Amino acid sequence: ETGVTQSPTHLIKTRGQQVTLRCSSQSGHNTVSWYQQALGQGPQFIFQYYREEENGRGNFPPRFSGLQFPNYSSELNVNALELDDSALYLCASSLGQGARLAGDETQYFGPGTRLLVL
Amino acid sequence: QKEVEQNSGPLSVPEGAIASLNCTYSDRVSQSFFWYRQYSGKSPELIMSIYSNGDKEDGRFTAQLNKASQYVSLLIRDSQPSDSATYLCAVLFSGGYQKVTFGIGTKLQVIP
Repeated sequence: ETGVTQSPTHLIKTRGQQVTLRCSSQSGHNTVSWYQQALGQGPQFIFQYYREEENGRGNFPPRFSGLQFPNYSSELNVNALELDDSALYLCASSLGQGARLAGDETQYFGPGTRLLVL
Repeated sequence: QKEVEQNSGPLSVPEGAIASLNCTYSDRVSQSFFWYRQYSGKSPELIMSIYSNGDKEDGRFTAQLNKASQYVSLLIRDSQPSDSATYLCAVLFSGGYQKVTFGIGTKLQVIP
């Protein structure tokens, strides 16, 4: 177990709806990254938050947005859901800018949220 | 576009054999490399991390890194049916924040 938790585990939505996914980071980690993993693909980077600010973003449209809270938990929000948004959504926590000094740049994954858009 | 390339497989090996998984990446200044194992329907779990050239061993697993050739591999000795999973190669590219790019993953099947 990594200590990273996500909720909910599964979710079914219809096209056009909005969804919020939640992530609780591993203790001591101040950085969270969100990934989308479609069936048969590797995880695709959505964005990363460090100390409550977005500090990197992948090739995802603005309807994918996020938040990080003072306790380093995080949310991923997706508006105007499309059928192609159906995927496993993963969050991963890490040490952030202290990682290299600590000798551990690993990102530790939560169990994921499986989203199905109908 | 910084990329990580893997053969999607499946790679089939008999039980007890050595499984060799390979990965190439596009950015010469990449600094950190990871192998994750992912069982069907589950999230990735870290197997090995490697930061410098050479070999790193952990039990039945050995990661090999060659930065000059932009190549990283994972060897699994004495393969077991429980090793059957998808193995994801991940590369931390340098440049301001910790963006990790994943390959498509290689599906490994260990045949009893």
